[in-house]
This record gives sequence, structure tokens and C-alpha cells, in this order.
Amino acid sequence: EDKVVQSPLSLVVHEGDTVTLNCSYEVTNFRSLLWYKQEKKAPTFLFMLTSSGIEKKSGRLSSILDKKELSSILNITATQTGDSAIYLCAVSAGGTSYGKLTFGQGTILTVHP
Amino acid sequence: KAGVTQTPRYLIKTRGQQVTLSCSPISGHRSVSWYQQTPGQGLQFLFEYFSETQRNKGNFPGRFSGRQFSNSRSEMNVSTLELGDSALYLCASSLAGLANYGYTFGSGTRLTVV
Repeated sequence: EDKVVQSPLSLVVHEGDTVTLNCSYEVTNFRSLLWYKQEKKAPTFLFMLTSSGIEKKSGRLSSILDKKELSSILNITATQTGDSAIYLCAVSAGGTSYGKLTFGQGTILTVHP
Repeated sequence: KAGVTQTPRYLIKTRGQQVTLSCSPISGHRSVSWYQQTPGQGLQFLFEYFSETQRNKGNFPGRFSGRQFSNSRSEMNVSTLELGDSALYLCASSLAGLANYGYTFGSGTRLTVV
């Protein structure tokens, strides 16, 4: 059964800090890893990492996929209060997992002013 | 372009009743998948539809069912509601539901069973 584990489960920092969120996975027939940010209801897409695109960056956010270690990190530099949210990691796989995303538990990030 | 639309936004039902939730995907997207989100279990996959066919199903009882129409809109139905069915139900729209395409989520339907 596909499995995704995120750590830490929660994190409290102050504005300006840099944070690193972790995601590890055990899936058969890995295809891609996705990061989402969920503030109230709809998870919003951040990055998708695949075997052909293992590093992505957008502003203060960046993510790397380590195919050997079966893991990914999401970095947020110079955090702001608006970064407070749940960060979700999900994996897409082929085979019997076709068409579905397997999610980790999420990391709750709280940024204090 | 319009995003993923889920209706209704909130629902309160009584145990034993049934409920139908609706999801309209992004125009041109043919894959719709459904997820249940609870504080204890996180996001769990319910099922995925592509071109009116269910391609994959998660580990949920048969009380949970769904369908997709020719215009790609999808509905999910939960019969004989239980207190544990209280959750945020999210649907995700994708061009084809393939690994290298993105998934866009709707804002969800918050179901409360009393």
C-alpha cells in the first residue's frame, strides 16, 4: 500500500525564519510528488516534482526531490504570517494507484509576527 | 477561467439519511477525483472518474458511490449516513488524471452528520 509521511506535524516560527518541511514516500511505480498549501478549504498547488524535474523554485519557496532517498523537502525562506497554513505532500503513482493522489498527514505551519 | 466548483458548501444531515454532493471541474478537464478530509485521517482518496468511467476506488464502504456525467460534472452520494462521515469532501479536477498533469481542488463541501 502506498504511504506518504510528513514531518514535522506542526511547526511554530517567527516572521523572517527559514523552515524546511519533509516528506518521505513508499509507493510502487512512482510518477510524481506534489506540494499543496491549504489555508481554509481548497488546497492550492505549489509544485510538482518528477523524475525529469527534481528541483522547483517560486519566490521564497523551493522544493527538491531526492529519488534515491524517496523523499522531498519544501523550503520557505523569510517566512511571513501569510505562510501560515497546512502544507500537504502527495504522491501520484501508476499501476493500481492510477488516477489517485496519496497524501501525507500534512504539516501545520504557524508563523508569528 | 473558472475553477473547480463544489456545491453545496455546507450540509447538515441526520444519521441514516443520504446526501449527494456535486463537483463541476475546470472546463476541458475530464478527470474528477474525490477525497475525504478529517482531522484524524487527513485526505483520503474515495474514487476517480474519467470520461464517465470509474477508474479507481479507495478503501471506503459501498455506502460511498459516485458517477460522472457526459459534461464531466461529477456527483458523489453517501447513503445511510453515520456520525463518522462528518468531514470536508474535496474534489479535484485534472486534464486526464495522469501523473504529470496537475490536480486542481475545489473549496469542498463541509458535511456534518448529527
